[in-house]
Amino acid sequence: GAGVSQSPSNKVTEKGKDVELRCDPISGHTALYWYRQSLGQGLEFLIYFQGNSAPDKSGLPSDRFSAERTGGSVSTLTIQRTQQEDSAVYLCASSPSRGYNEQFFGPGTRLTVL
Amino acid sequence: GQQLNQSPQSMFIQEGEDVSMNCTSSSIFNTWLWYKQDPGEGPVLLIALYKAGELTSNGRLTAQFGITRKDSFLNISASIPSDVGIYFCAGFAGGTSYGKLTFGQGTILTVHP
Repeated sequence: GAGVSQSPSNKVTEKGKDVELRCDPISGHTALYWYRQSLGQGLEFLIYFQGNSAPDKSGLPSDRFSAERTGGSVSTLTIQRTQQEDSAVYLCASSPSRGYNEQFFGPGTRLTVL
Repeated sequence: GQQLNQSPQSMFIQEGEDVSMNCTSSSIFNTWLWYKQDPGEGPVLLIALYKAGELTSNGRLTAQFGITRKDSFLNISASIPSDVGIYFCAGFAGGTSYGKLTFGQGTILTVHP
């Protein structure tokens, strides 16, 4: 069956520009997560959506980062006024429900800010 | 915030050897997960552990949820070249971190044929 998909797979942008990263979770999964992975590092939690509840934004590093999830399915992570330190792989994951459930990851979007 | 200390950071082994890696935390975790990540791809779930003391196998992989709930280990037996990759431990701590996974820094595994 279809897994988590993300687009674009690679994004190169100039410092100061805005970028949008998209995630399509596994059909039927109610929980969706965004993580950031810097070079050679583990994954850093960014934001968590569960159904129609207000998202947990506690991991967003600054107010330049925002995310939304439309219709309980597709999610978009937006980074405004990108900085070089935003360069990383942005990973999306989904799980069947909230809580301590296994999360299934997409292939990620590699963002490079020049 | 919570952190997981994963070791070793890297391993270079010969094909056929067994591998062991572990994660420790200063705080309690309610669930431990082990993932493998290949270059250019997202992490793939290998094993999930839900109870303290639980020992679970998946083919040549075996993982255990430590009794203290502050550690977990992963063993790979009879390694093969396709085992190459980065292995991550991850955990759910509960409480206000409900739903959020905390990841270790990863173990880079290289298998020489």
